[in-house]
Amino acid sequence: EAGVTQSPTHLIKTRGQQATLRCSPISGHTSVYWYQQALGLGLQFLLWYDEGEERNRGNFPPRFSGRQFPNYSSELNVNALELEDSALYLCASGRRRTRLELRPETQYFGPGTRLLVL
Amino acid sequence: GEDVEQSLFLSVREGDSSVINCTYTDSSSTYLYWYKQEPGAGLQLLTYIFSNMDMKQDQRLTVLLNKKDKHLSLRIADTQTGDSAIYFCAERRRLMDSNYQLIWGAGTKLIIKP
Repeated sequence: EAGVTQSPTHLIKTRGQQATLRCSPISGHTSVYWYQQALGLGLQFLLWYDEGEERNRGNFPPRFSGRQFPNYSSELNVNALELEDSALYLCASGRRRTRLELRPETQYFGPGTRLLVL
Repeated sequence: GEDVEQSLFLSVREGDSSVINCTYTDSSSTYLYWYKQEPGAGLQLLTYIFSNMDMKQDQRLTVLLNKKDKHLSLRIADTQTGDSAIYFCAERRRLMDSNYQLIWGAGTKLIIKP
């Protein structure tokens, strides 16, 4: 079974530009989560998509946006890049669980896209 | 507060036990997780524990849960150099719309001394 894939692996941009990051979930997973991991910091939750809809959003400005496509892959867009946006952006996928399923949902992570803003 | 808290660093000698601690905030959280992030890689689920359990053991890993104090720990027996990584604690928190979200700690970097 193929894992979560992300592209590109590295991305270098300058301030003010836009970045687009992509994520393909594990086959059969409908949820995609985006996280920002800045150097020396933990995971900061960005966005959660499930079944094509945005389900929840972290405490980030509106220039961080995204979407989920019918095949459940997802894009994260960061507009008007700032230096502090430099970070590892992790995508995770999960399977939406019903209330009757006792085991917890698990998030499976991709290797990340390292974004450097100069 | 809303934070899941962990120490940022832990240094242990190879062969000793490592104990990584975490405190969480929501007493109604039903599942708590430990994830491992090796250098240059994404996160990998190590183990999870359900809130009605006090302990869960899986080979060299032991998870202890003190629900009263909202304290979670991960013990790694016979720590090896391959255990060098950042370990993240996460709690599964219920949102107002009945969906769930994982709330993450900042991660503890485990450093192994020879």
